[in-house]
Amino acid sequence: AQSVTQLDSHVSVSEGTPVLLRCNYSSSYSPSLFWYVQHPNKGLQLLLKYTSAATLVKGINGFEAEFKKSETSFHLTKPSAHMSDAAEYFCVVSYGNKLVFGAGTILRVKS
Amino acid sequence: DGGITQSPKYLFRKEGQNVTLSCEQNLNHDAMYWYRQDPGQGLRLIYYSQIVNDFQKGDIAEGYSVSREKKESFPLTVTSAQKNPTAFYLCASSPGGLDNYGYTFGSGTRLTVV
Repeated sequence: AQSVTQLDSHVSVSEGTPVLLRCNYSSSYSPSLFWYVQHPNKGLQLLLKYTSAATLVKGINGFEAEFKKSETSFHLTKPSAHMSDAAEYFCVVSYGNKLVFGAGTILRVKS
Repeated sequence: DGGITQSPKYLFRKEGQNVTLSCEQNLNHDAMYWYRQDPGQGLRLIYYSQIVNDFQKGDIAEGYSVSREKKESFPLTVTSAQKNPTAFYLCASSPGGLDNYGYTFGSGTRLTVV
């Protein structure tokens, strides 16, 4: 069965320090991969997507993610956290037209 | 601007009542989806529709019903058979087809049973 595992339910960083949100997936073939961000009581906003082009994907707000097929990982990074980055982040895998969501990682940014 | 509109933003329901959540899109997307979000569980698929007048059950369809009479609209009814309906409900749409470039999400409806 297809699954997505976000390895940390909560991540806390200081403003200006790097962010790493980890995601592993299971798949028998190369899927499409996404990261979404959700601010409280809001919908989900697409940060970036991987669709079998370059393995390093750049997204909005300075985020990027690297697809590593050998590790079945798609970790999200940002060099320097900003207070406005505090939100919940979802790693999502596409299988055909269906999406499978990870459980989410809540990012806290300390001043 | 194109997008997805969910209404209402907050909804309160008495136990035993049916309630309908609205989802409208003006993106000309073929496919529409309903997800339920509970804390620490990510999003779970309730129902989806890839074309007008057709829809399929997702992973947690019990206690829910949908219709897709128009391309723009995909309302979700939470029936009294749903044992634990209090949750945040998100509607999404996508162009459909074999390529998946991500979904567009609405801003959600928070349903509370009182």
